[in-house]
Amino acid sequence: KNEVEQSPQNLTAQEGEFITINCSYSVGISALHWLQQHPGGGIVSLFMLSSGKKKHGRLIATINIQEKHSSLHITASHPRDSAVYICAVPGYSGGGADGLTFGKGTHLIIQP
Amino acid sequence: EAGVTQSPTHLIKTRGQQATLRCSPISGHTSVYWYQQALGLGLQFLLWYDEGEERNRGNFPPRFSGRQFPNYSSELNVNALELEDSALYLCASSFRNNQPQHFGDGTRLSIL
Repeated sequence: KNEVEQSPQNLTAQEGEFITINCSYSVGISALHWLQQHPGGGIVSLFMLSSGKKKHGRLIATINIQEKHSSLHITASHPRDSAVYICAVPGYSGGGADGLTFGKGTHLIIQP
Repeated sequence: EAGVTQSPTHLIKTRGQQATLRCSPISGHTSVYWYQQALGLGLQFLLWYDEGEERNRGNFPPRFSGRQFPNYSSELNVNALELEDSALYLCASSFRNNQPQHFGDGTRLSIL
């Protein structure tokens, strides 16, 4: 079973700061997901990536398959970025046949 | 394009009752996943349906069951409700297995 570790668990930063959230997993995978969950529960899928880097607006996700590690970066952070960010991988190596296994999430607060 | 829709938004039941939660995937998506997010436990994989069949289930007792209909919508049934079943239940859909998953807003189930 894949184990997912995220760090930090909690992060408070000032508006405009560069944010980095890290994710490590134990079993080789085909792809990794980054999700965002706002208070109230709704989840938004930010990225699904299997290699290299993806960028969407101020969000950048990178993955190193050999090191089993991914990072999510937020540039020019803003209070509306405050949310829980969750890393998720297939339960076992290969496809998503087991649904996703999730990290415990990083609770991010951006102060104005 | 309509997103993943879940109903009801909130559901209040008492111990021993049965609960039925519903999910409509994005048009064209054949895979439906169910996840449980209980307080303090994080997100956990419950069930995966594809093309009308249950393909896999997480580490949950048999009183958690469901089905997928010919139009790919899905139902999650929880029998003999227990207090610890109180949680946010999230449904996600994808075009095929191991494609990006799109999440609904969830059903919050409260057991009194």
